[in-house]
Amino acid sequence: GAGVSQSPSNKVTEKGKDVELRCDPISGHTALYWYRQSLGQGLEFLIYFQGNSAPDKSGLPSDRFSAERTGGSVSTLTIQRTQQEDSAVYLCASSLGTNTGELFFGEGSRLTVL
Amino acid sequence: GQQLNQSPQSMFIQEGEDVSMNCTSSSIFNTWLWYKQDPGEGPVLLIALYKAGELTSNGRLTAQFGITRKDSFLNISASIPSDVGIYFCAGRRHYTGNQFYFGTGTSLTVIP
Repeated sequence: GAGVSQSPSNKVTEKGKDVELRCDPISGHTALYWYRQSLGQGLEFLIYFQGNSAPDKSGLPSDRFSAERTGGSVSTLTIQRTQQEDSAVYLCASSLGTNTGELFFGEGSRLTVL
Repeated sequence: GQQLNQSPQSMFIQEGEDVSMNCTSSSIFNTWLWYKQDPGEGPVLLIALYKAGELTSNGRLTAQFGITRKDSFLNISASIPSDVGIYFCAGRRHYTGNQFYFGTGTSLTVIP
């Protein structure tokens, strides 16, 4: 499709399990962002990829969180040993990566940790 | 992480009324974006601003990039029921790359 695609749209997991969330950005967009949105809250920056540069990981809340972007396109956000406080909507966005690049968001992956 | 100060946190207005909300930061920004988020969906871009003092409209929406580069405003004129949702501002700090910081959101309820 033409927009940012995320999967799964919903994920329920047990505490302690690992989860992977996938993002397929808009074709041609070199920048990719992951944000976390807790219930009723704003968007918390997690990680940012720009082309082949080293990612900006400054927003990752702990070493249980990691992300990679293969081939400059699809990205996977991995959360290891999930905790209940990880429950949130994880939003992916992409942009052209230029000075005038606006962010376009996917619909998010809702994670519930029981 | 850094978040922008967005106000008001929530608004309840009558259909037809105008709406104003704003976003402020302690840092200088070179880009301001305004988004609307409906329940269960990702944020959708409404307006993008790139120059201090810039005033841009999108239908009944008008947004301004503050002269100080530390704030932005969004106005909605003649509100209608479908304006209901959460509005977020987002800014990119000057000289610090492409990371965008988001406001805490303004929840808008329009009473028919």
